Amino acid sequence: DGGITQSPKYLFRKEGQNVTLSCEQNLNHDAMYWYRQDPGQGLRLIYYSQIVNDFQKGDIAEGYSVSREKKESFPLTVTSAQKNPTAFYLCATYRETGSNEQYFGPGTRLTVT
Amino acid sequence: AQKVTQAQTEISVVEKEDVTLDCVYETRDTTYYLFWYKQPPSGELVFLIRRNSFDEQNEISGRYSWNFQKSTSSFNFTITASQVVDSAVYFCALSAYGGSQGNLIFGKGTKLSVKP
Repeated sequence: DGGITQSPKYLFRKEGQNVTLSCEQNLNHDAMYWYRQDPGQGLRLIYYSQIVNDFQKGDIAEGYSVSREKKESFPLTVTSAQKNPTAFYLCATYRETGSNEQYFGPGTRLTVT
Repeated sequence: AQKVTQAQTEISVVEKEDVTLDCVYETRDTTYYLFWYKQPPSGELVFLIRRNSFDEQNEISGRYSWNFQKSTSSFNFTITASQVVDSAVYFCALSAYGGSQGNLIFGKGTKLSVKP
């Protein structure tokens, strides 16, 4: 089935450790996005990539890093520099043609203690 | 700057009641897209509708309807005869028309609770 996979669903880390969140898609979409969601908040854009080997910072990129070596994959690393990393992280894809909607993965809930 | 405001943080209704979720947006673009997404407790966002700024015709899909009014910069969402399965957080979003139209600006969401 076509879709977006984010793994794991729940992730626990100790403060000071870097952690990488996985996002894989088989929709053949060019653009991919990472959002952060905090309780009672909307989605805030962390990074996005419109093409392989290229990516741009979103509104809250500090403390995060990404790579886009393959069209199918857009991993997000939460570094120790991110002051409040505990949140729900959503990956999305977008295709220029068609319904112009973003497709979302199931999300990863990261807890850092 | 672009902004989306969903003033209703939480709404609670009893099953079969009608409910309207408000969305007000700000943009300097003359053409743009508006969206509604549903986020059930599982967390994944589900696309509900996209509306082009040059198409102000209202839309109905089953129990769902959307009222787009450019004059008041609003894109409200009504659920008729609500059901328990409608309980979720609903997000309104805005995007530019053109090259960066994949980049969405989200409101903070409205949590809808439908009680039996």
